[in-house]
Amino acid sequence: QKEVEQDPGPLSVPEGAIVSLNCTYSNSAFQYFMWYRQYSRKGPELLMYTYSSGNKEDGRFTAQVDKSSKYISLFIRDSQPSDSATYLCAMSASNNNDMRFGAGTRLTVKP
Amino acid sequence: NAGVTQTPKFQVLKTGQSMTLQCAQDMNHNSMYWYRQDPGMGLRLIYYSASEGTTDKGEVPNGYNVSRLNKREFSLRLESAAPSQTSVYFCASRSVAGRGGYGYTFGSGTRLTVV
Repeated sequence: QKEVEQDPGPLSVPEGAIVSLNCTYSNSAFQYFMWYRQYSRKGPELLMYTYSSGNKEDGRFTAQVDKSSKYISLFIRDSQPSDSATYLCAMSASNNNDMRFGAGTRLTVKP
Repeated sequence: NAGVTQTPKFQVLKTGQSMTLQCAQDMNHNSMYWYRQDPGMGLRLIYYSASEGTTDKGEVPNGYNVSRLNKREFSLRLESAAPSQTSVYFCASRSVAGRGGYGYTFGSGTRLTVV
Protein backbone atom coordinates (compact mmCIF):
# COMPACT_ATOMS: atom_id res chain seq x y z
CA GLN A 1 0.00 0.00 0.00
CA LYS A 2 1.33 3.41 -0.97
CA GLU A 3 1.77 5.97 1.77
CA VAL A 4 -0.20 8.54 -0.25
CA GLU A 5 -3.03 7.48 -2.54
CA GLN A 6 -4.45 9.70 -5.25
CA ASP A 7 -6.90 8.80 -8.00
CA PRO A 8 -5.02 9.39 -11.27
CA GLY A 9 -8.19 10.20 -13.20
CA PRO A 10 -8.34 11.49 -15.84
CA LEU A 11 -11.07 13.88 -14.76
CA SER A 12 -12.93 15.94 -17.36
CA VAL A 13 -15.38 18.71 -16.44
CA PRO A 14 -17.14 21.56 -18.27
CA GLU A 15 -16.01 25.13 -17.73
CA GLY A 16 -17.59 26.64 -14.63
CA ALA A 17 -17.93 23.32 -12.77
CA ILE A 18 -16.78 22.74 -9.21
CA VAL A 19 -13.90 20.29 -9.12
CA SER A 20 -13.07 18.08 -6.16
CA LEU A 21 -9.65 16.43 -5.96
CA ASN A 22 -8.74 14.08 -3.12
CA CYS A 23 -5.91 12.17 -1.48
CA THR A 24 -5.77 9.68 1.34
CA TYR A 25 -2.73 8.80 3.39
CA SER A 26 -1.64 6.26 5.95
CA ASN A 27 1.05 8.04 8.00
CA SER A 28 -0.56 9.77 10.99
CA ALA A 29 2.64 11.79 11.52
CA PHE A 30 1.95 13.95 8.47
CA GLN A 31 1.26 17.54 9.50
CA TYR A 32 2.09 19.65 6.43
CA PHE A 33 -0.18 19.29 3.42
CA MET A 34 0.29 20.83 0.03
CA TRP A 35 -1.26 20.86 -3.40
CA TYR A 36 0.85 21.38 -6.50
CA ARG A 37 -0.28 22.09 -10.05
CA GLN A 38 1.79 20.72 -12.91
CA TYR A 39 1.25 21.75 -16.49
CA SER A 40 2.38 19.41 -19.25
CA ARG A 41 6.17 19.21 -19.54
CA LYS A 42 6.66 21.69 -16.69
CA GLY A 43 7.73 21.41 -13.08
CA PRO A 44 5.14 21.35 -10.27
CA GLU A 45 4.21 24.72 -8.77
CA LEU A 46 2.90 25.19 -5.25
CA LEU A 47 -0.80 25.98 -5.20
CA MET A 48 -1.95 25.60 -1.60
CA TYR A 49 -0.30 24.93 1.74
CA THR A 50 -2.06 23.84 4.94
CA TYR A 51 -0.71 22.98 8.34
CA SER A 52 -2.59 20.34 10.37
CA SER A 53 -6.38 20.12 10.05
CA GLY A 54 -8.83 22.67 8.75
CA ASN A 55 -9.67 24.68 5.66
CA LYS A 56 -7.76 27.26 3.69
CA GLU A 57 -9.15 29.39 0.88
CA ASP A 58 -7.29 31.28 -1.82
CA GLY A 59 -9.41 32.77 -4.55
CA ARG A 60 -11.18 29.95 -6.39
CA PHE A 61 -9.22 27.28 -4.52
CA THR A 62 -10.06 25.71 -1.16
CA ALA A 63 -7.91 23.11 0.58
CA GLN A 64 -9.36 20.90 3.31
CA VAL A 65 -7.54 18.58 5.68
CA ASP A 66 -9.27 15.96 7.83
CA LYS A 67 -6.54 14.31 9.89
CA SER A 68 -8.99 12.06 11.72
CA SER A 69 -9.90 10.44 8.40
CA LYS A 70 -6.42 10.88 6.85
CA TYR A 71 -8.07 12.62 3.91
CA ILE A 72 -7.30 15.86 2.12
CA SER A 73 -9.20 17.67 -0.62
CA LEU A 74 -8.75 20.49 -3.07
CA PHE A 75 -11.83 22.25 -4.43
CA ILE A 76 -11.74 24.45 -7.51
CA ARG A 77 -14.74 26.74 -8.02
CA ASP A 78 -15.74 28.19 -11.38
CA SER A 79 -13.17 26.01 -13.13
CA GLN A 80 -11.46 27.46 -16.20
CA PRO A 81 -9.73 25.82 -19.17
CA SER A 82 -6.48 27.25 -17.78
CA ASP A 83 -6.97 24.98 -14.75
CA SER A 84 -6.33 21.97 -17.01
CA ALA A 85 -3.26 20.33 -15.49
CA THR A 86 -2.15 17.51 -13.23
CA TYR A 87 -2.73 18.16 -9.54
CA LEU A 88 -0.37 16.56 -7.04
CA CYS A 89 -1.00 16.29 -3.33
CA ALA A 90 2.04 16.27 -1.05
CA MET A 91 2.57 15.90 2.66
CA SER A 92 5.27 15.57 5.26
CA ALA A 93 5.81 15.12 8.98
CA SER A 94 7.76 17.60 11.10
CA ASN A 95 10.92 16.94 9.07
CA ASN A 96 10.01 18.62 5.83
CA ASN A 97 12.94 17.09 4.00
CA ASP A 98 10.99 13.94 3.25
CA MET A 99 7.85 15.07 1.50
CA ARG A 100 5.66 12.33 0.02
CA PHE A 101 3.71 12.96 -3.15
CA GLY A 102 0.59 11.43 -4.61
CA ALA A 103 0.77 10.18 -8.19
CA GLY A 104 -1.31 13.12 -9.42
CA THR A 105 -4.79 13.58 -10.89
CA ARG A 106 -5.01 14.77 -14.47
CA LEU A 107 -7.77 17.37 -14.89
CA THR A 108 -9.21 18.73 -18.15
CA VAL A 109 -11.65 21.65 -18.12
CA LYS A 110 -13.52 21.88 -21.39
CA PRO A 111 -14.71 25.27 -22.73
CA ASN B 1 14.54 36.09 -11.05
CA ALA B 2 15.12 32.64 -12.60
CA GLY B 3 14.16 30.47 -9.59
CA VAL B 4 15.45 26.92 -10.11
CA THR B 5 17.36 26.21 -13.33
CA GLN B 6 18.08 22.68 -14.55
CA THR B 7 20.36 21.58 -17.36
CA PRO B 8 20.12 19.80 -19.69
CA LYS B 9 16.39 19.69 -20.52
CA PHE B 10 16.68 16.47 -22.53
CA GLN B 11 19.27 13.70 -22.67
CA VAL B 12 19.59 10.27 -24.24
CA LEU B 13 22.20 7.92 -22.79
CA LYS B 14 23.36 4.46 -23.65
CA THR B 15 23.38 1.85 -20.91
CA GLY B 16 26.55 2.17 -18.88
CA GLN B 17 27.25 5.81 -19.75
CA SER B 18 27.59 8.42 -17.06
CA MET B 19 26.25 11.94 -16.82
CA THR B 20 25.66 14.78 -14.39
CA LEU B 21 22.43 16.74 -14.10
CA GLN B 22 22.98 20.31 -13.02
CA CYS B 23 20.73 22.42 -10.81
CA ALA B 24 21.09 25.99 -9.58
CA GLN B 25 18.79 28.23 -7.56
CA ASP B 26 18.99 31.97 -7.04
CA MET B 27 16.56 32.32 -4.13
CA ASN B 28 19.11 31.86 -1.33
CA HIS B 29 17.39 28.67 -0.17
CA ASN B 30 19.25 26.39 2.21
CA SER B 31 17.65 23.10 1.20
CA MET B 32 17.74 21.47 -2.21
CA TYR B 33 16.28 18.22 -3.53
CA TRP B 34 16.40 15.80 -6.44
CA TYR B 35 13.24 13.91 -7.40
CA ARG B 36 12.34 11.54 -10.18
CA GLN B 37 8.86 11.36 -11.65
CA ASP B 38 7.54 8.20 -13.26
CA PRO B 39 4.02 7.49 -14.57
CA GLY B 40 1.75 6.22 -11.80
CA MET B 41 4.50 6.59 -9.19
CA GLY B 42 4.41 10.28 -8.43
CA LEU B 43 7.51 12.16 -7.38
CA ARG B 44 10.07 10.16 -5.42
CA LEU B 45 12.95 11.69 -3.51
CA ILE B 46 16.41 10.58 -4.63
CA TYR B 47 18.70 12.74 -2.49
CA TYR B 48 18.48 15.99 -0.64
CA SER B 49 20.78 18.57 0.89
CA ALA B 50 19.40 20.29 3.97
CA SER B 51 22.20 22.84 3.91
CA GLU B 52 25.49 23.57 2.19
CA GLY B 53 27.96 20.80 2.95
CA THR B 54 25.40 18.11 3.80
CA THR B 55 23.63 15.49 1.69
CA ASP B 56 21.28 12.65 2.63
CA LYS B 57 19.59 9.74 0.90
CA GLY B 58 15.93 9.84 0.06
CA GLU B 59 13.52 7.11 -0.93
CA VAL B 60 15.30 5.87 -4.10
CA PRO B 61 19.05 6.69 -3.92
CA ASN B 62 20.52 3.57 -5.53
CA GLY B 63 22.48 4.28 -8.71
CA TYR B 64 22.86 8.00 -7.99
CA ASN B 65 25.32 10.33 -6.31
CA VAL B 66 25.01 14.01 -5.50
CA SER B 67 27.23 16.99 -4.80
CA ARG B 68 26.23 20.21 -3.09
CA LEU B 69 28.82 22.39 -4.77
CA ASN B 70 27.84 25.57 -2.93
CA LYS B 71 24.63 27.11 -1.61
CA ARG B 72 23.29 27.69 -5.12
CA GLU B 73 24.20 24.45 -6.88
CA PHE B 74 23.22 20.82 -6.35
CA SER B 75 24.18 18.22 -8.97
CA LEU B 76 22.98 14.65 -9.54
CA ARG B 77 25.30 12.08 -11.10
CA LEU B 78 24.49 8.77 -12.74
CA GLU B 79 27.72 6.77 -12.77
CA SER B 80 26.53 3.88 -14.95
CA ALA B 81 23.12 4.55 -16.44
CA ALA B 82 20.52 1.79 -16.61
CA PRO B 83 17.19 1.66 -18.53
CA SER B 84 15.39 1.73 -15.14
CA GLN B 85 16.71 5.26 -14.70
CA THR B 86 14.69 6.51 -17.66
CA SER B 87 12.56 9.19 -16.03
CA VAL B 88 11.92 12.89 -15.65
CA TYR B 89 14.21 14.40 -13.01
CA PHE B 90 13.25 17.47 -11.03
CA CYS B 91 15.40 19.62 -8.83
CA ALA B 92 13.70 21.67 -6.11
CA SER B 93 14.61 24.09 -3.38
CA ARG B 94 12.70 24.89 -0.24
CA SER B 95 10.91 28.07 0.67
CA VAL B 96 10.32 28.56 4.39
CA ALA B 97 8.58 31.92 4.40
CA GLY B 98 5.89 33.87 2.68
CA ARG B 99 2.92 32.57 0.77
CA GLY B 100 4.63 29.28 0.00
CA GLY B 101 4.94 28.25 3.61
CA TYR B 102 7.09 25.15 3.59
CA GLY B 103 6.52 24.39 -0.10
CA TYR B 104 9.13 23.59 -2.68
CA THR B 105 10.07 25.52 -5.83
CA PHE B 106 10.73 23.14 -8.70
CA GLY B 107 12.80 23.44 -11.84
CA SER B 108 11.36 22.58 -15.24
CA GLY B 109 12.86 19.10 -15.31
CA THR B 110 15.32 16.96 -17.27
CA ARG B 111 13.86 14.23 -19.46
CA LEU B 112 16.34 11.35 -19.47
CA THR B 113 16.10 8.28 -21.66
CA VAL B 114 18.51 5.38 -21.21
CA VAL B 115 18.63 2.96 -24.14
